[in-house]
Amino acid sequence: EVQLVESGGGLVQPGGSLRLSCAASGFTFSNYDIHWVRQATGKGLEWVSGIGTAIDAHYPGSVKGRFTISRENAKNSVYLQMNSLRAGDTAVYYCARGTYCNSTDCYRSGFDIWGQGTMVTVSS
Amino acid sequence: EIVLTQSPGTLSLSPGERATLSCRASQSVTSRYLAWYQQKPGQAPRLLIYGASSRATGIPDRFSGSGSGTDFTLTISRLEPEDFAVYYCQQYGGSPPNTFGHGTKVEIK
Repeated sequence: EVQLVESGGGLVQPGGSLRLSCAASGFTFSNYDIHWVRQATGKGLEWVSGIGTAIDAHYPGSVKGRFTISRENAKNSVYLQMNSLRAGDTAVYYCARGTYCNSTDCYRSGFDIWGQGTMVTVSS
Repeated sequence: EIVLTQSPGTLSLSPGERATLSCRASQSVTSRYLAWYQQKPGQAPRLLIYGASSRATGIPDRFSGSGSGTDFTLTISRLEPEDFAVYYCQQYGGSPPNTFGHGTKVEIK
């Protein structure tokens, strides 16, 4: 079964750090971009980072310099290191599968597989 | 940054009716890299449409997407009870590479 499973969420104080993990199974992990998307309670979706098959990382301005995404293909895993956390970072964090790339081309078809999410709460 | 504006914010319809959801981009979306997602309470989003008009695997044909440039539409031809949810559009080809609209809630009238 193709799936993504997040872990590592929890309660952290403002200014603290947390590392989220996303474990993939059922597909050739190294051929796909993986992204993190968050959702505060009752709010919409916000993309927070993505990492490509060439280990290229991207971030929106809201988290740039505070969040770092990485991947370990040997473990079929992606990580999100979150530093200098703020109350506004409180949300459910989802990982999602994005663009597929083979040796010759890439195919962009949105985020087709999502994990169940992990809750991050930043509070004193 | 490409900003996506979805309208209406809430759509109140009855089962069997047609739903038309709009997503307008602040600048042209690269290569029609526009997707639609459905999200139900307590669940992760589900991909419905990618490339503005291609249905994702397993998505019923009552869901259809259209549009190009800055104006895109998701149409649900006849609402089923399980279609009442929140719908988001996303562009995935710009800079930054991904942004979402704020969502349209389709509720039972």
